[in-house]
Amino acid sequence: DFVMTQTPLSLSVTPGQPASISCKSSQSLLYSDGKTYLYWYLQKPGQPPQLLIHEVSNRFSGVPDRFSGSGSGTDFTLKISRVEAEDVGVYYCMQSIQLPFTFGPGTKVDVK
Amino acid sequence: QLQLQESGPGLVKPSETLSLTCTVSGGSISSSSYYWGWIRQPPGKGLEWIGTIYYSGNIYYNPSLKSRVTISMDTSKNQFSLKLSSVTAADTAVYYCARQDVRAWGNFDYWGQGTLVTVSS
Repeated sequence: DFVMTQTPLSLSVTPGQPASISCKSSQSLLYSDGKTYLYWYLQKPGQPPQLLIHEVSNRFSGVPDRFSGSGSGTDFTLKISRVEAEDVGVYYCMQSIQLPFTFGPGTKVDVK
Repeated sequence: QLQLQESGPGLVKPSETLSLTCTVSGGSISSSSYYWGWIRQPPGKGLEWIGTIYYSGNIYYNPSLKSRVTISMDTSKNQFSLKLSSVTAADTAVYYCARQDVRAWGNFDYWGQGTLVTVSS
């Protein structure tokens, strides 16, 4: 299985300040079709996960532009340019290049 | 607006079979544009993909659960279902159903609210 790791596992951020989460995969997520199958999800307290970013850097419909994704191969980053109170929750990266889909352990973000 | 709703017993005895149904409204599970998946989350822990089904009958399972899992769909009721046999306390989790985009099946774009299933005697 592809093993996904995330750092840090928790993050406390002052509103208006940036935040960054790293995700690493045990193998490259670059497929032969040229796409990289790395996703970011946010699970707000008491809610199901919601899709933020697909294929490394594409914001899903309705996701604010303060969220951005970058990276390639095995190393990826989710950045929040200016954290807002509504951004609290657990952020997960996930790969879909090979079954089974696997998620990172999650990064818990709270606001100071 | 697409909605997914999980339903089923909230308490299952050890060694028995967990059975859940996901009812989809606002869209058809027979659409060629989407897969339909199950994901679970033990209390306080991370996410685990269980399996995915396509209207054509293609089904994909997590190998770690494959020997115990069956996913099926009933297009007449616009529902898909999960059965997990021989459950133990380790199967206690919130179980989610979700839609996946066929163009990029890592896109779990709509989720149910989840249902907590506790395995206990």
